[in-house]
Amino acid sequence: QKEVEQNSGPLSVPEGAIASLNCTYSDRGSQSFFWYRQYSGKSPELIMSIYSNGDKEDGRFTAQLNKASQYVSLLIRDSQPSDSATYLCAVLYNFNKFYFGSGTKLNVKP
Amino acid sequence: DTGVSQNPRHKITKRGQNVTFRCDPISEHNRLYWYRQTLGQGPEFLTYFQNEAQLEKSRLLSDRFSAERPKGSFSTLEIQRTEQGDSAMYLCASSNGDSPLHFGNGTRLTVT
Repeated sequence: QKEVEQNSGPLSVPEGAIASLNCTYSDRGSQSFFWYRQYSGKSPELIMSIYSNGDKEDGRFTAQLNKASQYVSLLIRDSQPSDSATYLCAVLYNFNKFYFGSGTKLNVKP
Repeated sequence: DTGVSQNPRHKITKRGQNVTFRCDPISEHNRLYWYRQTLGQGPEFLTYFQNEAQLEKSRLLSDRFSAERPKGSFSTLEIQRTEQGDSAMYLCASSNGDSPLHFGNGTRLTVT
């Protein structure tokens, strides 16, 4: 079983602050990494994909990947109350199997 | 791109009854996945198809669960003799190759 670990939170940040979400994974053979946002009662929606070491920026979101340390992170700049949700880390293994962490709940306080 | 469609959105059934869910993936996607999610947990893999072939089924899935994808298009997930522990959100997702998963809105099952 491939493990994807996330701190369940909740992580509380004030509006306008940077939220930092972390994820570690167990299998060095993992190829691709994804962050999904899930609002309560809704299905996950893709925010970011990252495939190689380093940073990838998309608007207020930055994904960071360090394969040597087997961790992935997501930074959300200028956090908004609408960012309050659960953030799921997903890892693709063997080009066909996606494993998910249990998610980190983020609360952005106005 | 009309997205992944799942029906029904909600299903309430009595213990012991059979239920069937349907998923219509994004048309150009060749892979279709079923996941189950309970409160406070991430999606748990159930099974996946590449075109019409079911390539993997989770060992956690009992024989009461079966999935099909005839002709490589839509898929159905059937649960026979439902139990209260089957209550969960059932998520369908599709992808092309190793591209990210795109999820449908899910089917919330409540077994009373």
